[in-house]
Amino acid sequence: SQQGEEDPQALSIQEGENATMNCSYKTSINNLQWYRQNSGRGLVHLILIRSNEREKHSGRLRVTLDTSKKSSSLLITASRAADTASYFCATDGDSWGKLQFGAGTQVVVTP
Amino acid sequence: KAGVTQTPRYLIKTRGQQVTLSCSPISGHRSVSWYQQTPGQGLQFLFEYFSETQRNKGNFPGRFSGRQFSNSRSEMNVSTLELGDSALYLCASSLGTLEDTQYFGPGTRLTVL
Repeated sequence: SQQGEEDPQALSIQEGENATMNCSYKTSINNLQWYRQNSGRGLVHLILIRSNEREKHSGRLRVTLDTSKKSSSLLITASRAADTASYFCATDGDSWGKLQFGAGTQVVVTP
Repeated sequence: KAGVTQTPRYLIKTRGQQVTLSCSPISGHRSVSWYQQTPGQGLQFLFEYFSETQRNKGNFPGRFSGRQFSNSRSEMNVSTLELGDSALYLCASSLGTLEDTQYFGPGTRLTVL
């Protein structure tokens, strides 16, 4: 079963615009991670945020985490056509090797 | 460092057959997790191996099994294939603690006819 929901399910923007997607989860976590998937290929790890962190940056990515609301957001600034992909949040818990994924947000960036 | 590799990349089987998929983790990683991805169910955890021992298992029938070798390479096996087993199978490797990042391979696309 899915750990949570991602919102929106799909997002269409133009190059240069920012893209924001949200993730909600249900149980307590140690970390929350964001992954990108291009066209049914493997998942590429983008960023990990620990439960005691509130915000983290990596290049054009900004992730926030609100453990009181059990939610996270991923912001991609100045988007490029190459950012076209599906984005997933994944949470861990006290369970070896098991990540629970949301349904993903499909992002399309048009030139 | 080389990334996670999976073989084969594509596989076509018929119902009732069995299949074995292989995963080679990043050098130094001792944990391998397997996931099934389908359009209907999304990404679902199958099982995790660490130092040749299964430490965790998801909610899949016994037809799905796996193992890990002393060099940390892992295989998963699906017996008596059903049409619903058609999916992208992903493996991920990590150092093996609870808070590690998992790094994914490119996946094996299994089609069951």
